[in-house]
Amino acid sequence: TQLLEQSPQFLSIQEGENLTVYCNSSSVFSSLQWYRQEPGEGPVLLVTVVTGGEVKKLKRLTFQFGDARKDSSLHITAAQPGDTGLYLCAGAGETSGSRLTFGEGTQLTVNP
Amino acid sequence: NAGVTQTPKFRVLKTGQSMTLLCAQDMNHEYMYWYRQDPGMGLRLIHYSVGEGTTAKGEVPDGYNVSRLKKQNFLLGLESAAPSQTSVYFCASRQLRGPGGWGYTFGSGTRLTVV
Repeated sequence: TQLLEQSPQFLSIQEGENLTVYCNSSSVFSSLQWYRQEPGEGPVLLVTVVTGGEVKKLKRLTFQFGDARKDSSLHITAAQPGDTGLYLCAGAGETSGSRLTFGEGTQLTVNP
Repeated sequence: NAGVTQTPKFRVLKTGQSMTLLCAQDMNHEYMYWYRQDPGMGLRLIHYSVGEGTTAKGEVPDGYNVSRLKKQNFLLGLESAAPSQTSVYFCASRQLRGPGGWGYTFGSGTRLTVV
């Protein structure tokens, strides 16, 4: 069973601050995805990273895939209240084909 | 383009009752999935399908059955509901690998309470 551990579980910050969320595993993943989920809705895909060391930017969000493809991070610059939500990382194992394993999520609250 | 539609959105069942959750996607996706989401446990895979007429077990399949008779629909059945099946259920679909990788498209969920 592949496990993904996210940290921190909860994060409450003020508008304008920077933050980083981590996603770690002892397993190697062929790709890793980040989703954001708002209350009462399903998760929405933010990004997919597939190459070790890959960095992708989405406006104020920066995603990095570890060189060994076992971990990932999400960095948000100058957080805004609209960034509030549950952030989930999910990995596709090298042998699990189309199935994703999800982390437990990081609940981010950005206070105005 | 509706994406992934789940019905119903809310349901309360008594222990022992049965029900079927319906998932419909209009994106011609091959793969479909059923997950349950519980506090502190994240999203756990119940069953999935890699194409019309196929199904496979996920991480937590006990107490559930599925069918994929049509490519666009994936049904999740509870034959005899138990309080432990109280959860939020999400359906997701994905296309075959495309440029830049692939990702799931999720429905908005079904909140099920078993009393």
